[in-house]
Amino acid sequence: DAKTTQPNSMESNEEEPVHLPCNHSTISGTDYIHWYRQLPSQGPEYVIHGLTSNVNNRMASLAIAEDRKSSTLILHRATLRDAAVYYCILRDIFNTYNQGGKLIFGQGTELSVKP
Amino acid sequence: GAGVSQSPSNKVTEKGKDVELRCDPISGHTALYWYRQSLGQGLEFLIYFQGNSAPDKSGLPSDRFSAERTGGSVSTLTIQRTQQEDSAVYLCASSLDPGGRADTQYFGPGTRLTVL
Repeated sequence: DAKTTQPNSMESNEEEPVHLPCNHSTISGTDYIHWYRQLPSQGPEYVIHGLTSNVNNRMASLAIAEDRKSSTLILHRATLRDAAVYYCILRDIFNTYNQGGKLIFGQGTELSVKP
Repeated sequence: GAGVSQSPSNKVTEKGKDVELRCDPISGHTALYWYRQSLGQGLEFLIYFQGNSAPDKSGLPSDRFSAERTGGSVSTLTIQRTQQEDSAVYLCASSLDPGGRADTQYFGPGTRLTVL
């Protein structure tokens, strides 16, 4: 699976939008972009995923660049509960099918939210 | 519904002892994963079970580590002759459709292992 690059940390104010960037310049055509987050003292939890088009769900939005070499996770109104480490992960759908869906985690972005 | 559960939540052991960590996946999930998270090392994959297929053990760090999954449900991770470097949080995850495009892994709360 191709590698991703994320900033080590970011800060946000409560109730403001947060844009978490991820670079994946070596992404292949069959790589899906997944985001997970890990709240303090908890296991990771799924946030969102996409392939080419922008995606929205109840937790967040995912904006994918036209060339797919970068993406941005958008939290529309940050809350204190959103303070977590956010992981951007690429998953090759063909490798996933043939070899299983293990996740390869990078260092992620530690998001802190100020009241 | 019930999520992934792990036990114990905390385990303190002495160097050289064996430990067993348990994972109960979400009912009906065919895939089960073990990961560990060490301080400063991030999350790393250990082993993967899918149905009746042979497990993917490519992430196990040494032959002191083993895992089994009985009846396609509960899994036990065993660490023999524990070393201090085995101290970490051991996380279990399960998923319904590991080959699917929308596959989502659901993680348990983890077992914090401390080897003195």
